[in-house]
Amino acid sequence: SQQGEEDPQALSIQEGENATMNCSYKTSINNLQWYRQNSGRGLVHLILIRSNEREKHSGRLRVTLDTSKKSSSLLITASRAADTASYFCATVRSNDYKLSFGAGTTVTVRA
Amino acid sequence: GAGVSQTPSNKVTEKGKYVELRCDPISGHTALYWYRQSLGQGPEFLIYFQGTGAADDSGLPNDRFFAVRPEGSVSTLKIQRTERGDSAVYLCASSFLGGTVDGYTFGSGTRLTVV
Repeated sequence: SQQGEEDPQALSIQEGENATMNCSYKTSINNLQWYRQNSGRGLVHLILIRSNEREKHSGRLRVTLDTSKKSSSLLITASRAADTASYFCATVRSNDYKLSFGAGTTVTVRA
Repeated sequence: GAGVSQTPSNKVTEKGKYVELRCDPISGHTALYWYRQSLGQGPEFLIYFQGTGAADDSGLPNDRFFAVRPEGSVSTLKIQRTERGDSAVYLCASSFLGGTVDGYTFGSGTRLTVV
């Protein structure tokens, strides 16, 4: 079963614009992670945020976590054509090690 | 190696045949995971190894699926009597300390097509 749900399912933006996608989940978590996937193959880990953290930055990425609302957001600033990909949030429940993924957000960055 | 290696990258098999998919994790990563991803969906958990033992196999869909990791490194996912519904990309990942520090490293996957 899939724990997370991303919103929107698809997003199309112009190069240079910011892209924001949201993730909601159902159970208590240890941490939440965001991954990027190009062309339906291997996933690349982007950022991990722990349940006791509220915001984290990595380069052009900004992730927020609101455990009271069981939701997270990923912001990509100043998007580039190379950011075109599917983005997945994945949660690790308390006392567990496996990732549970949502269905993903497909982002298209137009040149 | 530098990353997680999965072989073959593509496999086409006939319905009813047996297949083996191989995963070579990052050296030193004790945890290894198998996921399955269908088109347009997120990866779905299959099984998790800590060392040589399967710590959680709750995601295996039925007894046609089996995975081993005999020496705590390379793992093989085995599918018996394949069905067309088994067609998917099978992803392997490994992690250090359960992925709680810097996440999981995924391989490029094996695309299995059952015809």
